[in-house]
Amino acid sequence: QVHLQESGPGLVKPSQTLSLTCSVSGASINSGGYYWSWIRQHPGKGLEWIGYIYYSGSTYYNPSLKSRLTISIDKSKNQFSLKLSSVTAADTAVYYCARDQNGHSSYDYWGQGTLVTVSS
Amino acid sequence: QTVVTQEPSFSVSPGETVTLTCGLSTGSVSTSNYPSWYQQTPGQTPRALIYTTNTRSSGVPDRFSGSILGNKAALTITGAQAEDESDYYCVLYMGGGISVFGGGTKLTVL
Repeated sequence: QVHLQESGPGLVKPSQTLSLTCSVSGASINSGGYYWSWIRQHPGKGLEWIGYIYYSGSTYYNPSLKSRLTISIDKSKNQFSLKLSSVTAADTAVYYCARDQNGHSSYDYWGQGTLVTVSS
Repeated sequence: QTVVTQEPSFSVSPGETVTLTCGLSTGSVSTSNYPSWYQQTPGQTPRALIYTTNTRSSGVPDRFSGSILGNKAALTITGAQAEDESDYYCVLYMGGGISVFGGGTKLTVL
């Protein structure tokens, strides 16, 4: 069974960098065929596509976040990560990592989500 | 910027059929947008229902089906049940590796 688990600080100060890691078990990030994704949900709002990384290192980002966003992969740890710089209160959200089957937002496995609050 | 549109809310009586739609602010939805649908109850992780227009995710009851209706993607629940009361999100692939979620539809079954 594939399992994804987000980890990282739950509180980040404005203007700092939000960093999250998604640990994957039950599947190898390095095996290819899947796109390792980040999605977020502002409190009480809908889902927002953040972006994804392929095992080759290719990345695709939400244009509205692209200037602040980096998604990276650590094959040795079977993890992938998200860094979002210069955060504001508008970045307060539940952040989910997920596995996309085809790069077209066909998510078959999700992490449980982690709430990140941006506040001083 | 293209917006993915969904009905904000919908009500259905138990046993009835309901169709939720997913459109684009400019243009038509086609199979090339690979529409997918997710169900989310409050406080829970989204659950996949339909991938790439009409492929049902493993374990999803066959009362859920996906299609293209006119210029929109559609999720049809045939014989809605009380446990189907949830938020439903569609997501469309826009090309260039980019996807966009709709704003979601809150479905009430009463």
